[in-house]
Amino acid sequence: DVKVTQSSRYLVKRTGEKVFLECVQDMDHENMFWYRQDPGLGLRLIYFSYDVKMKEKGDIPEGYSVSREKKERFSLILESASTNQTSMYLCASSFRNRGYTFGSGTRLTVV
Amino acid sequence: SQQGEEDPQALSIQEGENATMNCSYKTSINNLQWYRQNSGRGLVHLILIRSNEREKHSGRLRVTLDTSKKSSSLLITASRAADTASYFCATDAAVNNAGNMLTFGGGTRLMVKP
Repeated sequence: DVKVTQSSRYLVKRTGEKVFLECVQDMDHENMFWYRQDPGLGLRLIYFSYDVKMKEKGDIPEGYSVSREKKERFSLILESASTNQTSMYLCASSFRNRGYTFGSGTRLTVV
Repeated sequence: SQQGEEDPQALSIQEGENATMNCSYKTSINNLQWYRQNSGRGLVHLILIRSNEREKHSGRLRVTLDTSKKSSSLLITASRAADTASYFCATDAAVNNAGNMLTFGGGTRLMVKP
């Protein structure tokens, strides 16, 4: 089975900190995605990548950046964390136009 | 922006009953997918139906797709308490979609009472 591993289940950071959320997949998927999930707002796409060193903005990229230096790893970076970035962050990967495999999620709290 | 909208937002049934969830979307699609999410966890892919398919089965799951009405339904038969979760539809739009980008609906919260 494909595994998507997110480095932390829970994270607490201070306002203004630079935050790295790591995601690693083990099945050579070319596509990787970062979503955030908030009550009442559903899943919103932050960034995605369809190849190494490629990145595309999703619906809500402001305040975030990403890095994909290797095919298996897709990192989400909060340049200067703010309280409105408190959320559940979900990473996913996929092969071509097939279903996504999601990680378990990282619940980030910014205080 | 949310392409898919699920209906109802919440559903409560007794074990053994069938659960039906509906999804409507706005643009042409390549495929539509259903996912399940247990509380506080990641989503799990359940089933994918392509735009040229009308019905698909997987175990106790039955998905239908009506592209003329831009709608889909997910039926869970003989529900179990373990089916309690949120269910999301997601659409793979037919427009230039490098990277297989999905748009998710808001989800239906299903509670199955023992």
